[in-house]
Amino acid sequence: GDSVTQMEGPVTLSEEAFLTINCTYTATGYPSLFWYVQYPGEGLQLLLKATKADDKGSNKGFEATYRKETTSFHLEKGSVQVSDSAVYFCALSLQETSGSRLTFGEGTQLTVNP
Amino acid sequence: DAGVTQSPTHLIKTRGQQVTLRCSPISGHKSVSWYQQVLGQGPQFIFQYYEKEERGRGNFPDRFSARQFPNYSSELNVNALLLGDSALYLCASSRAYEQYFGPGTRLTVT
Repeated sequence: GDSVTQMEGPVTLSEEAFLTINCTYTATGYPSLFWYVQYPGEGLQLLLKATKADDKGSNKGFEATYRKETTSFHLEKGSVQVSDSAVYFCALSLQETSGSRLTFGEGTQLTVNP
Repeated sequence: DAGVTQSPTHLIKTRGQQVTLRCSPISGHKSVSWYQQVLGQGPQFIFQYYEKEERGRGNFPDRFSARQFPNYSSELNVNALLLGDSALYLCASSRAYEQYFGPGTRLTVT
């Protein structure tokens, strides 16, 4: 079945450090890929997306590139802030076979210290 | 525009009871999905409804059921609650392939 694997966490960084959170996927078709962020006590917010190979999604300084050859969608940010502390989820959707159903990874807890 | 709204925010039930959770989608969105998020894990898909029809069901027992109303709002029902049903229940509405999530209902089963 379809699945998403995220790097084991949690991740702790100092402010202004470079961030990478790894995400790889297994899918029977050609999925759309997403990163969602969840702040404490809240629901999920869509951070960025990519719908086809080599697409780069970006938002609020975060970027991720859809790599079909390595089945990956790693999240990066050049300089993190304390306000980026949250849980980040990688997810996929196979629109043609399962509608907009999302399959999520386990999540990566990011803590940024001043 | 208002986002996805869910009610109630928190709920405490005892084992064996039944619970109903409610969701109102973003205006213009005709599809609603439900997810269960157990503490420390990623959300798991429960149901998707589109135009009042069930379009998908995840690997959940028959104790879980849902429906969608003509105004596209939705209810999730869980019968015979178990301790393991304690979780954050998220509703998402969608147009095309993007899903927008509500704040969730925190269900605690004691």
